[in-house]
Parts: sequence; structure tokens; C-alpha cells
Amino acid sequence: QKEVEQNSGPLSVPEGAIASLNCTYSDRGSQSFFWYRQYSGKSPELIMFIYSNGDKEDGRFTAQLNKASQYVSLLIRDSQPSDSATYLCAVIHGPTNAGKSTFGDGTTLTVKP
Amino acid sequence: GAVVSQHPSRVICKSGTSVKIECRSLDFQATTMFWYRQFPKQSLMLMATSNEGSKATYEQGVEKDKFLINHASLTLSTLTVTSAHPEDSSFYICSARKDIDTEAFFGQGTRLTVV
Repeated sequence: QKEVEQNSGPLSVPEGAIASLNCTYSDRGSQSFFWYRQYSGKSPELIMFIYSNGDKEDGRFTAQLNKASQYVSLLIRDSQPSDSATYLCAVIHGPTNAGKSTFGDGTTLTVKP
Repeated sequence: GAVVSQHPSRVICKSGTSVKIECRSLDFQATTMFWYRQFPKQSLMLMATSNEGSKATYEQGVEKDKFLINHASLTLSTLTVTSAHPEDSSFYICSARKDIDTEAFFGQGTRLTVV
């Protein structure tokens, strides 16, 4: 089992729809969770971070964390073609692996005009 | 967000030569820096984790004598690809983190081509 798992996709949604990206993690003691966006040929850029259970909203993006289910998601409302990219979920592990961070393999999102 | 600068963005070198890539955190002190390699359409592969003033921790399968990492200060880490070969051609990306449990910010990446 991978430490951080994401559906590889591709996930395709029409413009204006909600895109839902999911991520599960195996280390129950994980503390911090991040979503990065990576355009083809570019390096990842941070979109959201979340530390507590529940929802965190920033513009069109909402991160959701459920530590009991070891699940973190990213919702993109009113999806735009410019949102087409690979989305990486990253986790910082708990005290027994202090400081260790793991990235998922990413989900490729395509928003069709 | 914080700024991490990576240089050069592109480099072409001859087989057998060495190439140095710099990673600088411009507006914060990075306790930890990470080096990744990414082949086309593949995921990020962590090569090594570097803490200031100590030896880098390499991931399994990464040759430490080939990929030399130096983290001499809280704002600078370097990756030197020694005796480069065409199979070392890849996209190399660094990231830097201020604290142990905070987000990491990525440099722009370096596309290395070995001919």
C-alpha cells in the first residue's frame, strides 16, 4: 500500500462543473496536508493546506479533511480550462516520522470548454 | 507564498561533465530542502532530503556519489550531477521548507539535457 494514494485519472469535467479530487493516506498520525497543482513542464505550486478536520475554502478551491477516514479532498468549483493540470496531494507524517513528507502520484484533471 | 529560486532553468552538458544546480530560499530560512527528479509524464521522485549543516539523506536507489548535495546555509542548497550521462537527462526540482510541519515551496525546476 502506498503511503499517499490518488486516482491517476485522467479526470475530465466540463467547464463550469465541480471537479473533485481525492487522496487517502496510510499514516494515521499525519499532521499536515497540502494540495499542489503542476502544469505540464512546470514545477508544482501550492494551492491549499489544511491541518484540521473539516473544510477550508479559498476562492474556488475547498480542501476537506477527515482524519478518521484518513481522507483529504480538493474541490474546484466553476472549473476553468486553465485548471487543467496534475494535482498532487502531499502529507507530512506524524511524530514517529517527524518531518517526512510524501507526495501522491497525482491526478490529471482536464476541464473541457 | 514564499519564493524559492532555482538556477539554471535549463542546461545542456556533454556526457562525462558535471553540472551544479542551485536552490535558494529568497525570503525565508529553510531548515530542510528536498531534491526531486521527474521524467516526462511521471510523478515526482524524491532523491534526497537535505538539512542545513548536515549530510543529505538519500532515498534508496539514488547514488550519493553521483548526486552530490550540499546544504551549506539556511538559504542555499546545491545539487551536483557528476559525470553526467544521457540517462541523467531529466527535470530536477528543489523545494524548501521553513519548519518541520509546514508547507514546502518549489523552485522553478531545471531541465537537464546530457548529450
